[in-house]
Formats: sequence, structure tokens, C-alpha cells
Amino acid sequence: AQSVTQLGSHVSVSEGALVLLRCNYSSSVPPYLFWYVQYPNQGLQLLLKYTSAATLVKGINGFEAEFKKSETSFHLTKPSAHMSDAAEYFCAVSHTGTASKLTFGTGTRLQVTL
Amino acid sequence: KAGVTQTPRYLIKTRGQQVTLSCSPISGHRSVSWYQQTPGQGLQFLFEYFSETQRNKGNFPGRFSGRQFSNSRSEMNVSTLELGDSALYLCASSGSRSNTGELFFGEGSRLTVL
Repeated sequence: AQSVTQLGSHVSVSEGALVLLRCNYSSSVPPYLFWYVQYPNQGLQLLLKYTSAATLVKGINGFEAEFKKSETSFHLTKPSAHMSDAAEYFCAVSHTGTASKLTFGTGTRLQVTL
Repeated sequence: KAGVTQTPRYLIKTRGQQVTLSCSPISGHRSVSWYQQTPGQGLQFLFEYFSETQRNKGNFPGRFSGRQFSNSRSEMNVSTLELGDSALYLCASSGSRSNTGELFFGEGSRLTVL
């Protein structure tokens, strides 16, 4: 069964600092991987997705993620944090053959301080 | 292009009652999925409908049911409500032909069971 693990339920960074949110996946087949963001009292918004076309994936709002098969990782990064990045971030994996069924990680709440 | 619309946004019910939540997908999207989000269990897949047929189902009791209409709008119903059903219920639609699992989420319906 496919699954994802997000390390760190809370991450705090200073404005302008590097953002690194960790996600490791478990899958017996090449997975489709996603990062979603959720702002307070809102639904989820897709940041980026990996579908095997390229290992370095660029998303919206300056975020990117690199698929590393050897490390089974798909960490999310942003070079310079902005106050507006404060939100909860979810890594997710799509089940093979059932693309609309996503298994989500437990989420990482990003806090950005001045 | 209008996004995914969920109604109602907030509702309060008492134990034993039933509730119906509605979701209008993005125009042209034929797949609608439902997820339950709680602080304890995180995001969990409920079910997915495609062209009026349930295509996938998560591990929820039979009290949770859904349906999809010919215009792709979907409803989910929870009968005999329990306190533990208090959650944010998220609907997502997908029109991806490449089956990569990119979902577009609504803002959710927040259900409180007293």
C-alpha cells in the first residue's frame, strides 16, 4: 500500500529564510506525488505534482520539490519564506489506477516569523 | 471558471440526526471525491463518483453514503450522526484525462455534532 510520512508537524522559519518541509513516501510502484496547501478555514490547493516527467518540480508561489527515488523522498522547498506562506502543507500520494484516491500525510504547519 | 462549490459551509446537528452535504464540481469535471478531515485522523478518503457511479470507496461505515447526478453534482449523506462525525468534509473534483490525480478542492462543509 502506498503511504507518505511527513516529518515535523510544526515548522517555524523567519521571513526570508529557507523553507524545507519533509515528505517520504512508500510505494511499490512509481508513485504520483503531490503537495497541497491549506489556509485557515479553506480547502486544499495544489502546489505542485510529480508524475515522473521531471524529478525537480516547480510549483506555484515559488515552491519546488525534488523527487529522489534513492531516498524515497519528495521534500518541499522555497528559498525565501514570506509571511503569506503560513499555512498547513500536506504531502499526498495517488493510488495506482485510482487517481482520485489520495493518501495524505499528517500535515506540517508552517509558521513564519518576523 | 468557477471552482468547486460546497454547501452548506457550516452546520450543527445533534446525535442521531442525519445530514446531507452538496458539492458542485468545476464545469466539465466528471469525477467527484469526498474526504473527511479531523484533527485526530487527518484527511481520509470517503468515496469517489464518476459518471453517476461510485468508483472507489474508503473505509467508512455504511452510515456514510453518496450519490452523483447526471450534471456531476454530488451529495453525501451521513445518517445516525455520532459525535465523532464532527469534521470538515471536503469535496474535490477532477477532470484529468491523464489520470494523474490532480484534485481541485472546495472550501468544505464544517459539521459539528452535539
